[in-house]
Amino acid sequence: KAGVTQTPRYLIKTRGQQVTLSCSPISGHRSVSWYQQTPGQGLQFLFEYFSETQRNKGNFPGRFSGRQFSNSRSEMNVSTLELGDSALYLCASSSDRGQDTQYFGPGTRLTVL
Amino acid sequence: QKEVEQDPGPLSVPEGAIVSLNCTYSNSAFQYFMWYRQYSRKGPELLMYTYSSGNKEDGRFTAQVDKSSKYISLFIRDSQPSDSATYLCATLPGGATNKLIFGTGTLLAVQP
Repeated sequence: KAGVTQTPRYLIKTRGQQVTLSCSPISGHRSVSWYQQTPGQGLQFLFEYFSETQRNKGNFPGRFSGRQFSNSRSEMNVSTLELGDSALYLCASSSDRGQDTQYFGPGTRLTVL
Repeated sequence: QKEVEQDPGPLSVPEGAIVSLNCTYSNSAFQYFMWYRQYSRKGPELLMYTYSSGNKEDGRFTAQVDKSSKYISLFIRDSQPSDSATYLCATLPGGATNKLIFGTGTLLAVQP
């Protein structure tokens, strides 16, 4: 089975711009979660989608949003980028139920200048 | 106070040493505990997944959960240079959610 894929792998943007990141889960997985990883805060949960519905949301401002499509692929969007948004953005997929193993993609490294 | 606290490291050990990595958590309702390994420029990969108290062994790795003291550990026996990575403890709050709560990670270097 192919693993979780994320595109693009690297992005450089400037303050004020917006960005869209994409995640394709493992085939058959319907849950996709997004995390932000920074040296200071570590891995922090952004949101989770299951069957096209947001099931849970972390403590991030409304500039961070996401969606999931009928084929379970997911995108996250960050609008009005700030320097502090520079991070590794990871997505993880799992099958239907909670407490199932989550498999992470390689991440998208976003740099905001 | 963070919900999951992890020894910051970094930790440097000689090849063949036994490594002990530790985390504490604050919420006694947490039931599922994981250890992830993350190599540089890669996503985390699941090493161990345990439910409630007790030990779980997989090859050179042993995960230990002590719910009475809210303490989780990962032991690596006969450590190898290929074990050099960041190790992250994590927990699931439970319920129908996949929201993982992570510790900040411990960077481990195994010297040949």
